[in-house]
Amino acid sequence: AQTVTQSQPEMSVQEAETVTLSCTYDTSESDYYLFWYKQPPSRQMILVIRQEAYKQQNATENRFSVNFQKAAKSFSLKISDSQLGDAAMYFCAYRTAMEYGNKLVFGAGTILRVKS
Amino acid sequence: NAGVTQTPKFQVLKTGQSMTLQCAQDMNHEYMSWYRQDPGMGLRLIHYSVGAGITDQGEVPNGYNVSRSTTEDFPLRLLSAAPSQTSVYFCASRPTGLSSTDTQYFGPGTRLTVL
Repeated sequence: AQTVTQSQPEMSVQEAETVTLSCTYDTSESDYYLFWYKQPPSRQMILVIRQEAYKQQNATENRFSVNFQKAAKSFSLKISDSQLGDAAMYFCAYRTAMEYGNKLVFGAGTILRVKS
Repeated sequence: NAGVTQTPKFQVLKTGQSMTLQCAQDMNHEYMSWYRQDPGMGLRLIHYSVGAGITDQGEVPNGYNVSRSTTEDFPLRLLSAAPSQTSVYFCASRPTGLSSTDTQYFGPGTRLTVL
């Protein structure tokens, strides 16, 4: 079974600075997808960024980018120019590409605090 | 489109009571699933469905039942509530396909407390 580990329960960053959230995963599959979700206090789950394992190029979405290291099974999220609205819980998630469905395996989450 | 809707938003039950958490989507998505979120554990899959009439167990299915009689609805039933089922429950849906570009939609969640 696949597992996802987020080793940082909490992180803090100063407004306008850069922060990196860590995620590692364990799988024997070669084809899969990885995601970062943001959960603000409203509880809504918001997709931040996604990465296909077969793509070597790291995904970017505006101020959000990932460092995907397939051999190391690492998938970190970098947030540049941090804003107060970035404060939230962030979840790393894995989904197999080997079957249909929408089963996601989540990490435990990292609480990100942004200081003004 | 209303997206994925869940009712109720909050619920308090006594141990042993039963109830159904409702989930509906109006996007004609084949794939639907239920997750529970507990502190320090992220979201864990309870049950999922790949289409009407087809359901299967996820990581933590004990104490929960599901059925999928229509594409739109995927209710989650607690047969005899226990304090260990105190959690936040999320329903999610996704269009058919293997591609990661098929966005997964989450409902707003139901906070359930079992006394």
